[in-house]
Amino acid sequence: AQTVTQSQPEMSVQEAETVTLSCTYDTSESNYYLFWYKQPPSRQMILVIRQEAYKQQNATENRFSVNFQKAAKSFSLKISDSQLGDTAMYFCALLRQGAQKLVFGQGTRLTINP
Amino acid sequence: DTGVSQDPRHKITKRGQNVTFRCDPISEHNRLYWYRQTLGQGPEFLTYFQNEAQLEKSRLLSDRFSAERPKGSFSTLEIQRTEQGDSAMYLCASSSVGYNQPQHFGDGTRLSIL
Repeated sequence: AQTVTQSQPEMSVQEAETVTLSCTYDTSESNYYLFWYKQPPSRQMILVIRQEAYKQQNATENRFSVNFQKAAKSFSLKISDSQLGDTAMYFCALLRQGAQKLVFGQGTRLTINP
Repeated sequence: DTGVSQDPRHKITKRGQNVTFRCDPISEHNRLYWYRQTLGQGPEFLTYFQNEAQLEKSRLLSDRFSAERPKGSFSTLEIQRTEQGDSAMYLCASSSVGYNQPQHFGDGTRLSIL
């Protein structure tokens, strides 16, 4: 069975600061994918960034980057130059290769203050 | 790309009633997924379709739940004899068939059981 754990229920930073959201996971698979999804208040969940486990290079998407530590089963999200529009719930998710079921963590509520 | 559409956005019903939700995926997507999200938690997988075939069902999908995708386009999720514990956000997602295709989510249907 796969599990995903986000140990920070809530975080709050000032606009323009850098913030890191933590995620750990457990799987016995060697091939899998990891995702960060963003769910703004009352809006749909959107994909922020994804990482393939076989790739050692950390994924980046503009202001968003990950720190993928496969041995430690850790997958943190760094948001640089945070903006008010980054305020949302952030979910870490795991997908086993060949499977279709995303396994989500409990989420981290991030608030960016002006 | 009009996105994944779900209807209704909100449903309030009395315990014991039947409810049905609809999901229209992104038009070229063959795969369609249903997830349930309770307050303060991450989404949990319920079931998924490839075209009209329902290929996987979670143990969360009790015999009161039924999902269909009759023509491989839109899908319906029906809950019979609703219970208080069914109160949740029901999320639909769709994706293309292929290697590590991302799942695109709709806004969800929020179900409240009185």
